[in-house]
Order: sequence, then C-alpha cells, then structure tokens
Amino acid sequence: DGGITQSPKYLFRKEGQNVTLSCEQNLNHDAMYWYRQDPGQGLRLIYYSQIVNDFQKGDIAEGYSVSREKKESFPLTVTSAQKNPTAFYLCASKPGGGAFGTEAFFGQGTRLTVV
Amino acid sequence: DAKTTQPTSMDCAEGRAANLPCNHSTISGNEYVYWYRQIHSQGPQYIIHGLKNNETNEMASLIITEDRKSSTLILPHATLRDTAVYYCIVRVNYGGSQGNLIFGKGTKLSVKP
Repeated sequence: DGGITQSPKYLFRKEGQNVTLSCEQNLNHDAMYWYRQDPGQGLRLIYYSQIVNDFQKGDIAEGYSVSREKKESFPLTVTSAQKNPTAFYLCASKPGGGAFGTEAFFGQGTRLTVV
Repeated sequence: DAKTTQPTSMDCAEGRAANLPCNHSTISGNEYVYWYRQIHSQGPQYIIHGLKNNETNEMASLIITEDRKSSTLILPHATLRDTAVYYCIVRVNYGGSQGNLIFGKGTKLSVKP
C-alpha cells in the first residue's frame, strides 16, 4: 500500500545531542514537508522540498537541517542549536505543481522528547 | 501567518450535522479553500477542497460564499470519531512556496453522545 512513514513514533534524546527523524514515502510525490507541532498549537513549517537535491527553509528552520538525496526520503536532523526541540514532528508529501487534487498526505508523526 | 480565522472550539451532538465556519476575507482569486482534520496525536487527514463551487465527497460538504470570503465545512451526521481539530487553509493549487499548507490553530470539534 502506498503511504508515508515516519519513524520512530517516540524518540528520547539527551540535551545537546543531534537526532535524525526519518520520513519515507512511496507515493512518487515530488514535494515533501516537515512541520513541528507544540501542545495546543497548529503546525508550523520547518523545511520543504519541491524536488530532489533542493529544499527551502520554512518559518522556523533555525536549529534544524534536512537533505533530499532521494525522491522518497526527506530526513530531518534536530541539532543541538535548537533551543526547544521537544515537540511532535510531522512529515507530509504531495504531488508536484500543476496537478489537481493535490492534497497532502501526512505521516503519523514522531514525538521527540529531549531530557 | 495563516490567512484564515476559525472559532477555537465547537460542540455537536452525535448524529446531528456539524457546521464549521471559516473566514478568509483576503483570499486571492487563484487560491483554493482546503480542509484537514487532526485526530489527537495523529497526522492531519485531508477532507475536501474547493475554489468557488460547493463541493461534496464521502466525508463532508464544503459551502463557499459567492464572494469567497468565508466557507463552511459540513459533516452531515457527526459521530464520536469525528472529534478532532479541523483546519481551514487557503492556498494555490500548484507548487512553489505559495502552494505550501500554512496551518492556523483550527477548531476543536467535540462530538458528544
């Protein structure tokens, strides 16, 4: 079945450590996105990628890094420079521009806790 | 920033229609209205979208006013499983940063028995 998979579902890290969150999709979508969600808040855009080997900063990119070496994969690294990394992280994908019905598909999220 | 305004919360009785309003007074002519919902601790799920005509699918109906400055998502027979946060988003229907989904805080719908 086609879909978008995030792993792991829960992640614990010590303060000061970098951590990488995985996002894989087999929907053949061109565009992929990373969002952060804090309790009681909406989703905020961290990074997005419209095509392989290209990505752009979203609204809250500081302290995060991404790569897009393959169409199906868009990993997010939370670096030690991110001041408040504890949050729920969501990955999404959608077809490229120009396609009708271009709704985004979301993974089930990774809940990161930094202690 | 999100270009939409929604009530923070709403209640609905099980089996009744849930009508969720959204204001988007600054919507551009090429922007669509999208609705997503997020059940607690899960990823958001696409519901429906439209440009100017009313739309209906198996999940919901979308009513867009003639001036396109507001819309209403209708769940015709709400069930307890429809309890979620509902997000109204406006965006263009093509790629580039203008096509990004920008989320506000949404409306928390509570369906009660």
